[in-house]
Amino acid sequence: AQSVTQLGSHVSVSEGALVLLRCNYSSSVPPYLFWYVQYPNQGLQLLLKYTSAATLVKGINGFEAEFKKSETSFHLTKPSAHMSDAAEYFCSVISSGNTPLVFGKGTRLSVIA
Amino acid sequence: EPEVTQTPSHQVTQMGQEVILRCVPISNHLYFYWYRQILGQKVEFLVSFYNNEISEKSEIFDDQFSVERPDGSNFTLKIRSTKLEDSAMYFCASRVGTQTTDTQYFGPGTRLTVL
Repeated sequence: AQSVTQLGSHVSVSEGALVLLRCNYSSSVPPYLFWYVQYPNQGLQLLLKYTSAATLVKGINGFEAEFKKSETSFHLTKPSAHMSDAAEYFCSVISSGNTPLVFGKGTRLSVIA
Repeated sequence: EPEVTQTPSHQVTQMGQEVILRCVPISNHLYFYWYRQILGQKVEFLVSFYNNEISEKSEIFDDQFSVERPDGSNFTLKIRSTKLEDSAMYFCASRVGTQTTDTQYFGPGTRLTVL
């Protein structure tokens, strides 16, 4: 069975600082990994996904994530935080095309001016 | 850009009442999902639906729950007799196919409060 663990339910950074949101996965088969973002009163929006091509994945809004098999990690980063990045971020995993997404608990990102 | 829509955005109901949550998936999508998130907990899978039948369901999706695609556009989740523990945010998602690269697109959610 697949699972993901997001370290830190709340992360606070200053505007312009590096954003690092941590996600570790557990999977008995090669995983496919996703980061979703939820802005207040909106649905979950896909930021980026890893589907066994390049290990460094670039997404929308300047975010990227690196798949590290040796560390079973898929951490999300952004070099410079913007106020508009304040949201809830969810890491998720899927084992194959038709199986449902398995989500982490989410990390709330706050950006301080 | 096409999007998944859900109504209502917030539903308050009394314990034991039936509720129907509605979703309009993206028009050319074939797979539909319901997830829920109890406050402070993970987003959890409830059920997937394809070709007018349930494809997969979780342990949460017991006999109190049902899904339906009553017409060509709507996808509904019915809870027959709501319990306090059904209070959660319910998300609908749709997907064009089952390739791993096919993204699940989520709606904004319906917040269900059971009193």
